[in-house]
Amino acid sequence: EDKVVQSPLSLVVHEGDTVTLNCSYEVTNFRSLLWYKQEKKAPTFLFMLTSSGIEKKSGRLSSILDKKELFSILNITATQTGDSAIYLCAVFKAAGNKLTFGGGTRVLVKP
Amino acid sequence: NAGVTQTPKFQVLKTGQSMTLQCAQDMNHNSMYWYRQDPGMGLRLIYYSASEGTTDKGEVPNGYNVSRLNKREFSLRLESAAPSQTSVYFCASTVPLLQETQYFGPGTRLLVL
Repeated sequence: EDKVVQSPLSLVVHEGDTVTLNCSYEVTNFRSLLWYKQEKKAPTFLFMLTSSGIEKKSGRLSSILDKKELFSILNITATQTGDSAIYLCAVFKAAGNKLTFGGGTRVLVKP
Repeated sequence: NAGVTQTPKFQVLKTGQSMTLQCAQDMNHNSMYWYRQDPGMGLRLIYYSASEGTTDKGEVPNGYNVSRLNKREFSLRLESAAPSQTSVYFCASTVPLLQETQYFGPGTRLLVL
């Protein structure tokens, strides 16, 4: 059975701190790993990673995938209150049209 | 271009009642999905439709049915609602060559008493 596990479940930081979120997975026929940010409503796409060791960056957010050890991390530097959200990790398999999501990490950034 | 729309935004049902959640997309996407989200559980796939005329079960299909009415619309039906179906329901759609990057609707919050 496919599994995607995120840690920690939640964390509270102060503005300016750096946050590291973890996502480990066990799936057959792995194709890609995705990160989504969910604020009040619908999840919005952040990154898609397919190759091991190549960092994707968008402003203060960055992510990297390790296909050998089957995990990914999402870093947020110089956090702001607007970074408060649930961060979801999901894995897409080569066969099939669906994503398997982890349970999410809830991040709260305090002023 | 409205993207993915869902109706209603919020619904309260009594146990045993039925209802249909509606989803439509105007992006000409082939694949559409229904998820439910419960606290600490991420998003769990209920049903999906790879293309018009096809539907498949996801991780948690029991108690639900779906209809892919046409390319734009994908509805989710609860025939006899149960308190365990209290959740937030999201619809999503995606393009054929980028199936990973799903576009989500705003969600329907359902409370079953």
